[in-house]
Amino acid sequence: DTGVSQNPRHKITKRGQNVTFRCDPISEHNRLYWYRQTLGQGPEFLTYFQNEAQLEKSRLLSDRFSAERPKGSFSTLEIQRTEQGDSAMYLCASSLGSEGALTYEQYFGPGTRLTVT
Amino acid sequence: RKEVEQDPGPFNVPEGATVAFNCTYSNSASQSFFWYRQDCRKEPKLLMSVYSSGNEDGRFTAQLNRASQYISLLIRDSKLSDSATYLCVVNGGADGLTFGKGTHLIIQP
Repeated sequence: DTGVSQNPRHKITKRGQNVTFRCDPISEHNRLYWYRQTLGQGPEFLTYFQNEAQLEKSRLLSDRFSAERPKGSFSTLEIQRTEQGDSAMYLCASSLGSEGALTYEQYFGPGTRLTVT
Repeated sequence: RKEVEQDPGPFNVPEGATVAFNCTYSNSASQSFFWYRQDCRKEPKLLMSVYSSGNEDGRFTAQLNRASQYISLLIRDSKLSDSATYLCVVNGGADGLTFGKGTHLIIQP
C-alpha cells in the first residue's frame, strides 16, 4: 500500500498523559499536514511541513502540541498533558508542493482516533 | 461569518435522482477548491478538484463562481454508494485546507 499511513489507529489515554502519533506520507510527497476532526465538524488544520521545515501552525495548536518531521519523511505529533477536549480524530495528509505554489491535492491517512478519559 | 459554509442536510434522495450541493466561502483570495467525500468514521477522500472553467468526472460535475464565491457539486444518476458526507474545501495559499462541516447525503433505494 503506497498511501498515507498512520499509527496507532486508536489510542485511549488518561487525562494528563502524553501521547505521540506517527504519520508516514506518500513517499514522493514533500508536504505533510496535520488536521484534527471532531464529530460533526470538518477537519481543522493544525500544522504543515515542507520537507523538514514546519512552515505554519494554527492557533489551534496550543503549547501542549508539538510536531516534528526530522528527516523530511515521516512525522510525529505529540500531545503533552492530554485533556478531555483533545479527544478527536487526528488526520495526516500529504501532497506535492513547492515554494509559492498553489495547493496541490492532499491525500489523507486513515487517522488516529484519540480518546482521553 | 464562517470561512466555508455548507448546508449540513441530510439530503434524502431516491436512487437515480440528480442532487446538487452548494458551498460558499468567505476568503476572496482563495485559489484552490476541492470536493472531498467522507464515509462514516473514515478519512476524507478527494473526489475532485474544482476549476474555474468547471469540470466533470463521470456522474459528477463541479462548478466555481468566483464573483459570488460559491462552489457547487452536481451528482447525476445517484447510486446507493454515493451516500456519504461531502466536504467543500478551499485554500487561500500554500497552507492547510479549510473544510466546511460537510453535507450529509443519503441515497434511498
